This record gives sequence, C-alpha cells and structure tokens, in this order.
Amino acid sequence: NAGVTQTPKFQVLKTGQSMTLQCAQDMNHEYMSWYRQDPGMGLRLIHYSVGAGITDQGEVPNGYNVSRSTTEDFPLRLLSAAPSQTSVYFCASSPNIPGTDTQYFGPGTRLTVL
Amino acid sequence: RKEVEQDPGPFNVPEGATVAFNCTYSNSASQSFFWYRQDCRKEPKLLMSVYSSGNEDGRFTAQLNRASQYISLLIRDSKLSDSATYLCVVKPNTGNQFYFGTGTSLTVIP
Repeated sequence: NAGVTQTPKFQVLKTGQSMTLQCAQDMNHEYMSWYRQDPGMGLRLIHYSVGAGITDQGEVPNGYNVSRSTTEDFPLRLLSAAPSQTSVYFCASSPNIPGTDTQYFGPGTRLTVL
Repeated sequence: RKEVEQDPGPFNVPEGATVAFNCTYSNSASQSFFWYRQDCRKEPKLLMSVYSSGNEDGRFTAQLNRASQYISLLIRDSKLSDSATYLCVVKPNTGNQFYFGTGTSLTVIP
C-alpha cells in the first residue's frame, strides 16, 4: 500500500491564481480531511469528508473547495490564491471507526503564494 | 477556549532523562485520544493511542484522566532520536472532527 499520497510536494503561486492539491489513499478509508499547518498555530482543519459524495467544513474553510467523487480521492481547490494561504497542507485519512480511528497523513504540500 | 491545549516547550533534556508532557482538552464528551509525533518538515505520525486504563509501548506511557480532562505522555530513557514535536489529538464522540494541540517541542541533548 502506498498509504496517503499528495501532489505536488512544492508549489509557488501568484496572488489570484487557482490550483488543485491532489490527495489519494489506497486503504479504503471512508474519512478524509485537509489541514493546514502554520507556525505556532498547529494543524487546523479546512474540510473533511466521511464518504464519497459527502463533504463538510472544518475550522478554516474560506477560500477552499473540496469534492469527494470516489473513496480514494479528495482534492483541495484554491479558488483565488492569497498570500494568507501560504502554508503547509496535509491530507489525512482514517477508517473513522471508534477504536480504530487513527489518522494517516500524507507527506504534505508546501505552498507559497506571492 | 481552545479545544486542546499543550505547553509548547521547548523541553531540552539530556539523553537518558525522563520527560513528561501534558495536554488538556475542553470537551468532556471526547472519545478518542492520541499522541502523534512530528519531525521537522514532515507529516505527523501516530505514536500511540491513549486508552482509559492507560497504556505503555516500550519507553512510552500514555495516561488519560477524564475527571480532570487531560492526557499525558511519559518518555523514559530519552534517546537523541526522540527529538521531535509531540502533538496531542482529541476526537469528541459527536461530530467527525479531530482536534490538534499546537505541539510540544522536545530536544534530547547528548
């Protein structure tokens, strides 16, 4: 199993550009989520999904869209990049079953918005 | 009030020392508890889940105190390789969100 994969590893955007961060998992996990991590702020939840066709907002959803058309994939779209979105983005997946709801993280995408 | 709070440290300890971290959570209905480890510029990785009765994994011991709403992590006989940031994670029994603390930085010194 590859686990959770994310692409790209690094990305530089100009203000106003749009892009999609890709996330895929091969563990058949129902739960997937996107976090951003900023210095001194810890991991903050952007959006999450409990299964294909179901998404919900987390703590900091503004400026981001998600969709979940398959169990495996959970892309994160930046609609119009802003410098405040410069961050490290982590995707995670989990079986979401009490007692086995450990989250597994991808390697992250380091995004800089100029 | 934050859902999960941790002392950010840094904790600088000599090799072989015992070090303990605490983490408090605000939602008394929290159900699942974890400690994750994060190395610099890497993704968080599960260190251990925390069970009601407490649990041990080698040099690591995790405890849960529901009455006072905190979890702890004890590391015995610290190794240089234990240097990392330790994240406390809590999941309430309602909703589907995991809440992360900001992490506690540990440096083990030779």
